[in-house]
Amino acid sequence: KAGVTQTPRYLIKTRGQQVTLSCSPISGHRSVSWYQQTPGQGLQFLFEYFSETQRNKGNFPGRFSGRQFSNSRSEMNVSTLELGDSALYLCASSVDGAYNSPLHFGNGTRLTVT
Amino acid sequence: DQQVKQNSPSLSVQEGRISILNCDYTNSMFDYFLWYKKYPAEGPTFLISISSIKDKNEDGRFTVFLNKSAKHLSLHIVPSQPGDSAVYFCAASEWGAQKLVFGQGTRLTINP
Repeated sequence: KAGVTQTPRYLIKTRGQQVTLSCSPISGHRSVSWYQQTPGQGLQFLFEYFSETQRNKGNFPGRFSGRQFSNSRSEMNVSTLELGDSALYLCASSVDGAYNSPLHFGNGTRLTVT
Repeated sequence: DQQVKQNSPSLSVQEGRISILNCDYTNSMFDYFLWYKKYPAEGPTFLISISSIKDKNEDGRFTVFLNKSAKHLSLHIVPSQPGDSAVYFCAASEWGAQKLVFGQGTRLTINP
């Protein structure tokens, strides 16, 4: 079974631009979560989607948004990019989105904002 | 406020010996705990988990121990192998919310 797939692997954007990241979960998984990893803050929760509905949101500004499609694929959008948005963005999926279902992570998208 | 803490940024262990990674948490609402392993340029890989109703869970060479009164969990790897060299993250979630809170990670190096 294929794992979680994230595209693109690397992105370089300029401050003020916007960016869209894509995630395909493991087949059959209905919950998709997004995390940001930075050297200073570690891994931080962005949001979680289940059946196209956002169920949880982390403590990030409104510039960070996401959505989930009917096939469970998900996209994350960051508008008006800031230098501090440079990070590894990780997508994870789980079968049923239960709190005690382990998350399975993709290899991430490395975003660099210049 | 860091709710999950891994106080050792790094740990070096000889091959064949036991590796013990520690994690402390402050939120008494955490109900489910996990350990992940991460290699460079890859996403975290799920290793093992434990529910708050248990105090031990074992899977092959990996055992996780949970001490709820001390708000402490640990991961034991026996015997340690060179391929275990990676960054290990502990994580926790509250009942009903699939939102993991991660520690800062511990870099484990297994020396031949």
